[in-house]
Amino acid sequence: GENVEQHPSTLSVQEGDSAVIKCTYSDSASNYFPWYKQELGKGPQLIIDIRSNVGEKKDQRIAVTLNKTAKHFSLHITETQPEDSAVYFCAARPEGGGNKLTFGTGTQLKVEL
Amino acid sequence: GAVVSQHPSWVICKSGTSVKIECRSLDFQATTMFWYRQFPKQSLMLMATSNEGSKATYEQGVEKDKFLINHASLTLSTLTVTSAHPEDSSFYICSARGATGAVFVAKNIQYFGAGTRLSVL
Repeated sequence: GENVEQHPSTLSVQEGDSAVIKCTYSDSASNYFPWYKQELGKGPQLIIDIRSNVGEKKDQRIAVTLNKTAKHFSLHITETQPEDSAVYFCAARPEGGGNKLTFGTGTQLKVEL
Repeated sequence: GAVVSQHPSWVICKSGTSVKIECRSLDFQATTMFWYRQFPKQSLMLMATSNEGSKATYEQGVEKDKFLINHASLTLSTLTVTSAHPEDSSFYICSARGATGAVFVAKNIQYFGAGTRLSVL
């Protein structure tokens, strides 16, 4: 089955700096890669996603890049703000996988003033 | 945006009792819902996939007789933890896969509920 690795597990940045979180996946059949933000005591919220036919996608301060050959994808947050502090999860879904997502282990992002 | 309501948000129960958690898609129909379990500071682990009108598909290692799932309608799935024990204490999260409904719901994307924290004494 699919295996998703995520790094780093914790990330601390100064307000205004950029943050990058990286994930790798094992199943070359995966074709959908969402990123979720989870605040303490809440469920994950989808913040951005990318499909395998696209190499990069951007939404305001958030961007995701995908390298299918290397089987890795990254989340980029620019101009970080304190409210960006949360746990971020990447996930991958293989084609024909019944829409089951395999999640990474999560990254605790802390944006310091 | 798409809203998935999960209830209750927090429940405390005595060992041996059963607890039911509800997951509703409020403004869209979801033929498929998913149930996850999350331990503190860990990732989400898929427990089962719930399909409307049919039996749930459980992941390996998940006891189907202990975690009963019912998906009786296109907007409601329930997870019942039967004869709960302290080791069942965890954060349970559901998600609904967008199928049809409000125009802002993207098909095949999972929308998550806010989670239910279960504490078994």
